[in-house]
Amino acid sequence: AQSVTQLGSHVSVSEGALVLLRCNYSSSVPPYLFWYVQYPNQGLQLLLKYTSAATLVKGINGFEAEFKKSETSFHLTKPSAHMSDAAEYFCAVSGGNTDKLIFGTGTRLQVFP
Amino acid sequence: SQTIHQWPATLVQPVGSPLSLECTVEGTSNPNLYWYRQAAGRGLQLLFYSVGIGQISSEVPQNLSASRPQDRQFILSSKKLLLSDSGFYLCAWSIRYNSPLHFGNGTRLTVT
Repeated sequence: AQSVTQLGSHVSVSEGALVLLRCNYSSSVPPYLFWYVQYPNQGLQLLLKYTSAATLVKGINGFEAEFKKSETSFHLTKPSAHMSDAAEYFCAVSGGNTDKLIFGTGTRLQVFP
Repeated sequence: SQTIHQWPATLVQPVGSPLSLECTVEGTSNPNLYWYRQAAGRGLQLLFYSVGIGQISSEVPQNLSASRPQDRQFILSSKKLLLSDSGFYLCAWSIRYNSPLHFGNGTRLTVT
């Protein structure tokens, strides 16, 4: 079985500060990992994905994530937060011959001026 | 390019009434289709997924059902809504195993 744990349901940062959103996964097969962003009353938009190639993955809007197998982590970072980054972020995992994507419970990011 | 349409955007229904939410995908063939529910303060719960016409997998026992009458059409239904069915319903598609999901804009359902 696969699972994802997102540490911290709420994260607050100042505009221009580093953003770090934590995600740890559990998988008995090589994982495929994803980060999504959700703005209020909208669907989820893919930020980036890890599919067993480079361990440092760059996504849209200046976000990136690093796959660390030894730590079973896939944390999302952005060097400098922007007000428009305020949203909810979801980490997700899949792997093996599965059609299912398992999501974490989400982290709400607030950005203060 | 592929697009996904989900409607209605918002819906208010009384307890005991029926439900039908529709989702269609354009620009791709034989997609995997999914229904997720997002309750307030919680993550996304996978309700149903389908890998082909008439093939439905249910993830949790509940008051809802799903159908896939056409390749790119996915319908979420209920015969009698419960208060606990309130939430944000998201339809999504993907092309194969372990590929990203692409989401619709969701339906906000309030059961009163």
